[in-house]
Amino acid sequence: AQTVTQSQPEMSVQEAETVTLSCTYDTSESDYYLFWYKQPPSRQMILVIRQEAYKQQNATENRFSVNFQKAAKSFSLKISDSQLGDAAMYFCAYRSEGSGTYKYIFGTGTRLKVLA
Amino acid sequence: DTGVSQDPRHKITKRGQNVTFRCDPISEHNRLYWYRQTLGQGPEFLTYFQNEAQLEKSRLLSDRFSAERPKGSFSTLEIQRTEQGDSAMYLCASSSLRQGGNTEAFFGQGTRLTVV
Repeated sequence: AQTVTQSQPEMSVQEAETVTLSCTYDTSESDYYLFWYKQPPSRQMILVIRQEAYKQQNATENRFSVNFQKAAKSFSLKISDSQLGDAAMYFCAYRSEGSGTYKYIFGTGTRLKVLA
Repeated sequence: DTGVSQDPRHKITKRGQNVTFRCDPISEHNRLYWYRQTLGQGPEFLTYFQNEAQLEKSRLLSDRFSAERPKGSFSTLEIQRTEQGDSAMYLCASSSLRQGGNTEAFFGQGTRLTVV
């Protein structure tokens, strides 16, 4: 079974600085998607960035980028120029493609605090 | 399109009562998911539908839980004989069945259940 591990329960970053959130996953499949979701306090979960496993190029969305290491099964999120609005829980998620199951598997999350 | 909608937002019930939650997905989305999230944890998969077919159900899901999506549009999640351990946020998400395209799940704001 696939698993997603986030080993950092909480991280802090100074406003305007850069922070990296870690995620590792375990799977025997070759075709899948990886996601980072953001969940602000008492608000709904929204997508930050996605990565297709078959793409070698790391995904980038404005200040957010990933470091996808397929062989190491690692998928970290880098937030540059951190802003106060980035404070939230961040969840790493895995979704299979082509194996017949399309559920999203989430890690336990990392709480990001942004210090002014 | 206003996104994924869940009703009610909050529900307080007495132990032993039955509760039902509703989810309206994004209109063109074929897949609909139910997750449960407890404080400080990542979303835990409960079940998902493709159109009206329930394709997968978590083995952790007690037989007190049942979900339906009768016409492939909205879905309901019923919990019978509620227990205090059922207290959690119940999240609904939907996604599009589209090969090679954006396949992220879009989440609703959740239904917070408190069993007293």
